[in-house]
Amino acid sequence: KNEVEQSPQNLTAQEGEFITINCSYSVGISALHWLQQHPGGGIVSLFMLSSGKKKHGRLIATINIQEKHSSLHITASHPRDSAVYICALDRGSTLGRLYFGRGTQLTVWP
Amino acid sequence: DAGITQSPRYKITETGRQVTLMCHQTWSHSYMFWYRQDLGHGLRLIYYSAAADITDKGEVPDGYVVSRSKTENFPLTLESATRSQTSVYFCASSGSGAGELFFGEGSRLTVL
Repeated sequence: KNEVEQSPQNLTAQEGEFITINCSYSVGISALHWLQQHPGGGIVSLFMLSSGKKKHGRLIATINIQEKHSSLHITASHPRDSAVYICALDRGSTLGRLYFGRGTQLTVWP
Repeated sequence: DAGITQSPRYKITETGRQVTLMCHQTWSHSYMFWYRQDLGHGLRLIYYSAAADITDKGEVPDGYVVSRSKTENFPLTLESATRSQTSVYFCASSGSGAGELFFGEGSRLTVL
């Protein structure tokens, strides 16, 4: 069983819609990362959080440590948001060792 | 330009050949990592390094060798490539072991 599960695997939306991607995990963590991977492969770190909520532009990430759950929200989605979004856990045991989810493929149509 | 760069971006080789993927970062980050990304598996850690001359195995180290003689470089060598090593390889760096990761553009390796 993978320690980190993302849902949905695939998500299609119309431009302007509010998007939610979920990440559930089953182990203790020190932090959780959200990453974005565009077609062509480049990976960008969006958020690293250990509690509460962070916001950057139209992106919002939340985490509930007690429920072992995190969400990534995109407000007013745009076709350029089309990418794979990856949740990764830092368990704090081995420095830099992250446990990655399999990603959510988001496609936003104009 | 500042950043983290990988080379080559694309490589086709044959089974049994030695291949080296290069990774260079200009931030003087202490931590560097090599991941492979395969369909159905997500990203998996191959090796990591906490500083020059300090390296350690990750989740899938078999068949790979790394070195880190200088802080800015972290090459990954496949000593005798196998078809199962066909993958996309990502190098990453971090200023601290628990901080934000910065990824290279990836190296797509095909072993025939």
